[in-house]
Amino acid sequence: QIVLTQSPAIMSASPGEKVTMTCSASSSVSYMHWYQQKSGTSPKRWIYDTSKLASGVPARFSGSGSGTSYSLTISSMEAEDAATYYCQQWSSNPPTFGAGTKLELK
Amino acid sequence: EIQLQQSGPELVKPGASVKVSCKASGYSFTDYNMYWVKQSHGKSLEWIGYIDPYNGGTSYNQKFKGKATLTVDKSSSTAFMHLNSLTSEDSAVYYCARGGNSGEGAYWGQGTLVTVSA
Repeated sequence: QIVLTQSPAIMSASPGEKVTMTCSASSSVSYMHWYQQKSGTSPKRWIYDTSKLASGVPARFSGSGSGTSYSLTISSMEAEDAATYYCQQWSSNPPTFGAGTKLELK
Repeated sequence: EIQLQQSGPELVKPGASVKVSCKASGYSFTDYNMYWVKQSHGKSLEWIGYIDPYNGGTSYNQKFKGKATLTVDKSSSTAFMHLNSLTSEDSAVYYCARGGNSGEGAYWGQGTLVTVSA
């Protein structure tokens, strides 16, 4: 199965700071999905098909990448963005998730 | 509004089984696959499998074959996941998620906590 490695595992950012987290796949995938999960709640679709923002996701978020390297970027950190972000692929069975990047507010 | 309402928390004994439900509303139930995902405490997400509510067709992660059985009741727009021979390793939050167009989980239930303990 394809292993997704997210880095960093934990990071903190100040309000207004640019944030970038990455997801590296053990084999090439066609696209990547991202989810946001806050403590005690279910994951939410956040970015799908690599770069499409889910409904209601602020425009300061963006996704990019191809092959084995993908990233999620926040142009200007806000307090509400503190959460854990998971990447997920389904180019190959079974679908797999990364271990997550926990983003904290500095 | 699309909603997935899952059944409540379960406390079950080792060796027993449990059935988790997921009632869908706000869309045509048979138009989208239903995924099931496991999240152990403080851990990441694991895809268990999916069911096509239209014809009942299923696909499982090899890891969960024999552990999980997915079914649906179209008349009530409800998906079910049956977990058998439970051990402490099965203690987790289980989510149902409606599939999107690219294999992503587009909408998620609130999760069902299953605790396996004597």
